Amino acid sequence: AQKVTQAQTEISVVEKEDVTLDCVYETRDTTYYLFWYKQPPSGELVFLIRRNSFDEQNEISGRYSWNFQKSTSSFNFTITASQVVDSAVYFCALSVSGNTPLVFGKGTRLSVIA
Amino acid sequence: DAMVIQNPRYQVTQFGKPVTLSCSQTLNHNVMYWYQQKSSQAPKLLFHYYDKDFNNEADTPDNFQSRRPNTSFCFLDIRSPGLGDTAMYLCATSRSGTLRFVEQYFGPGTRLTVT
Repeated sequence: AQKVTQAQTEISVVEKEDVTLDCVYETRDTTYYLFWYKQPPSGELVFLIRRNSFDEQNEISGRYSWNFQKSTSSFNFTITASQVVDSAVYFCALSVSGNTPLVFGKGTRLSVIA
Repeated sequence: DAMVIQNPRYQVTQFGKPVTLSCSQTLNHNVMYWYQQKSSQAPKLLFHYYDKDFNNEADTPDNFQSRRPNTSFCFLDIRSPGLGDTAMYLCATSRSGTLRFVEQYFGPGTRLTVT
């Protein structure tokens, strides 16, 4: 069975601080996909990134960066110079094939204070 | 540019009164999913359609049904809503049939309140 753990329930930071959201996953499959989604107060889940198990290259997109470490089964997400608009619940998720449903972590609520 | 549309965005229904939530998509994706998300919890999959094939999760209550009359539309029917069914209901779509994985696209959700 697959499992995603987001140990941080809530994080509060002051604007312009860097913040890292942790994600640890469990699966016995050798092929899998990891995701991060953002859920602002409006409720819609916004796709941020997908990473497959064969690609451990870290990725940077603007102020966002992701660190994928297979050795520790982690897929952490860092926001640099956080902004108030980053306030949301962030979900890490796992899928073991292209069409299997996502297994979500419990989410981390990020509050960025001005 | 709307890709996954859910109607209504907010729904209030009475205990035991049947309710239907709708989802439509302009992506021509062949897989559609329904998730239930209760307050401060992660989304939980209820069921999904792979083309016309219906796949029910083992722990989805019988009270929840779904219909997919065509590729674009999918409905969630709650036959006799209970107070515990108050939640956000999220529809998502994805495309299958290729080797390259395609992410799931989510709609804005329907907030259902059962009174």
